[in-house]
Amino acid sequence: QQQVRQSPQSLTVWEGETAILNCSYENSAFDYFPWYQQFPGEGPALLIAIRSVSDKKEDGRFTIFFNKREKKLSLHITDSQPGDSATYFCAASMNYNQGKLIFGQGTKLSIKP
Amino acid sequence: GGIITQTPKFLIGQEGQKLTLKCQQNFNHDTMYWYRQDSGKGLRLIYYSITENDLQKGDLSEGYDASREKKSSFSLTVTSAQKNEMAVFLCASSMRTGREQYFGPGTRLTVL
Repeated sequence: QQQVRQSPQSLTVWEGETAILNCSYENSAFDYFPWYQQFPGEGPALLIAIRSVSDKKEDGRFTIFFNKREKKLSLHITDSQPGDSATYFCAASMNYNQGKLIFGQGTKLSIKP
Repeated sequence: GGIITQTPKFLIGQEGQKLTLKCQQNFNHDTMYWYRQDSGKGLRLIYYSITENDLQKGDLSEGYDASREKKSSFSLTVTSAQKNEMAVFLCASSMRTGREQYFGPGTRLTVL
């Protein structure tokens, strides 16, 4: 049973556009949601994260919007660059669960120049 | 800063063979993790260890053993390699109570 779901599976946008990656979860006890960026042949790297007490987290061109009531969040990448082409994973964890992360299946993002 | 090193980068084995993957970190992190990454399926936790000599099963532990020999190293053993096990195995570490996990580059396993 997939506790964290991502959509779409793959996404292509033009350079300069805003890419929107979606994530939803089932367990209302999740309270920390990191997004990881993975390039081919490399391990995932933490990009940005949000805690459930916030509804928005911004870091440069990357913004997380969080809706606790609907159990949904989204990652917005503004002014997309070809170097942003990667697979993005949404993950979730609970405070009392020893930091264990539950990962979504990922969204493969391609930016066309 | 720190780094996570995984060896080997590529591992080719025969079906039924016992195979060992190694991970080293110099972050001085307490907790270490092993994940399996299959195409289109995200990352699934195999084992994790919150301190030296500790071992906790993840969702995918059957068919695997792990060993936390010392704080900086964490090994994973595939007890009997199967053809459907071809995947990338990722090692990660974090502070004991930290949520940020840092990943190594992975070991790609191919079973012939």
